[in-house]
Amino acid sequence: AQSVTQLGSHVSVSEGALVLLRCNYSSSVPPYLFWYVQYPNQGLQLLLKYTTGATLVKGINGFEAEFKKSETSFHLTKPSAHMSDAAEYFCAVRVTQGGSEKLVFGKGMKLTVNP
Amino acid sequence: NAGVMQNPRHLVRRRGQEARLRCSPMKGHSHVYWYRQLPEEGLKFMVYLQKENIIDESGMPKERFSAEFPKEGPSILRIQQVVRGDSAAYFCASSPLPPGSGNTIYFGEGSWLTVV
Repeated sequence: AQSVTQLGSHVSVSEGALVLLRCNYSSSVPPYLFWYVQYPNQGLQLLLKYTTGATLVKGINGFEAEFKKSETSFHLTKPSAHMSDAAEYFCAVRVTQGGSEKLVFGKGMKLTVNP
Repeated sequence: NAGVMQNPRHLVRRRGQEARLRCSPMKGHSHVYWYRQLPEEGLKFMVYLQKENIIDESGMPKERFSAEFPKEGPSILRIQQVVRGDSAAYFCASSPLPPGSGNTIYFGEGSWLTVV
């Protein structure tokens, strides 16, 4: 079964510091991978996605992620954290079976940005 | 171009009552998904619907929960005889294309259900 794992539940960084949020996947087929961000009491907003092609994917708000098949990873990074990046971040893998499709999410990572 | 619209945003129900959550997909989207987010957990898939058809309900609890996406009008997630454990955020998502096409799934703002 396809799945993603986000180890830990909280990350805290200083404003201006590197943001690194880890995601590892398990999939027997080439995966489609996604990062979503959720601000408090709001829905999920797509940050970026990997389907095929270039393994370094650039998203919104200065975030990017690199698909590494050898490490089964899809870590999310941002060179310099901003206070507005404080939110919860979810990694997800798309599972397609027969005529159905769904996203399987990790448990999420709450990012705190300290001034 | 309005996004995925969900209402109500917040709903309070007493145990045993019914909760109805509505979702209007983005214009032109005929594929709707419902997810549930329990406190301190990620989102869990519940059901995938196309117009007038339930395609995959493998994530729906066996009892009390039902979903529909009629030919006209919004998709409805219905929870009968709610219990405290149903308290969660329920998210609707939609996409314009069928599965496997690599398209983006767009999420609504969510409906927060509190059962008291």
